[in-house]
Amino acid sequence: AQSVSQHNHHVILSEAASLELGCNYSYGGTVNLFWYVQYPGQHLQLLLKYFSGDPLVKGIKGFEAEFIKSKFSFNLRKPSVQWSDTAEYFCAVNPKAAGNKLTFGGGTRVLVKP
Amino acid sequence: DAGVTQSPTHLIKTRGQQVTLRCSPKSGHDTVSWYQQALGQGPQFIFQYYEEEERQRGNFPDRFSGHQFPNYSSELNVNALLLGDSALYLCASSLGTGGAVAFFGQGTRLTVV
Repeated sequence: AQSVSQHNHHVILSEAASLELGCNYSYGGTVNLFWYVQYPGQHLQLLLKYFSGDPLVKGIKGFEAEFIKSKFSFNLRKPSVQWSDTAEYFCAVNPKAAGNKLTFGGGTRVLVKP
Repeated sequence: DAGVTQSPTHLIKTRGQQVTLRCSPKSGHDTVSWYQQALGQGPQFIFQYYEEEERQRGNFPDRFSGHQFPNYSSELNVNALLLGDSALYLCASSLGTGGAVAFFGQGTRLTVV
């Protein structure tokens, strides 16, 4: 069965700092990849997705992620964070052979200090 | 355009009881998936409904069952509740079953005492 690992459980940083969240998955086949974000008190929202093509994908609010197939990784980045980026971030994998089933990582709580 | 709506938002049940959670998908979506999110963990896939049939199932016991109605809305039923069933239950809707983007509801917080 596939699994998803997010390396950091908690990240604390100051405004304007750069953010990188790691995500690795274990699955040998072709996958769709997602990052979802959950702001305090809100539902899970799609931040960005990779289905095929350019491995560098751009999402909302200045986030981007890079798919490195050889490393089974899909790391999330933002060059300069804002206080409003305080949230929990989830990486999710959907094997193309598995319909719409998503396997999530454990999440990373990000706290941005003003 | 209504997003995914779930009811109720919070629920407290006693061990051994049964519970039904409800979900209305985003307008235009025909597929509903259910996830369980325990405290401090990522969501775990329970099952998915499409065309009123369970299409995929995660590693959950038969105590977890569901239904999808002709209007695409869905119910999640859990029988013989255990303390460990306490979690946030998330409904996600999408279009079709071919790896489309899932939109999530706010969830139902179930507490089993």
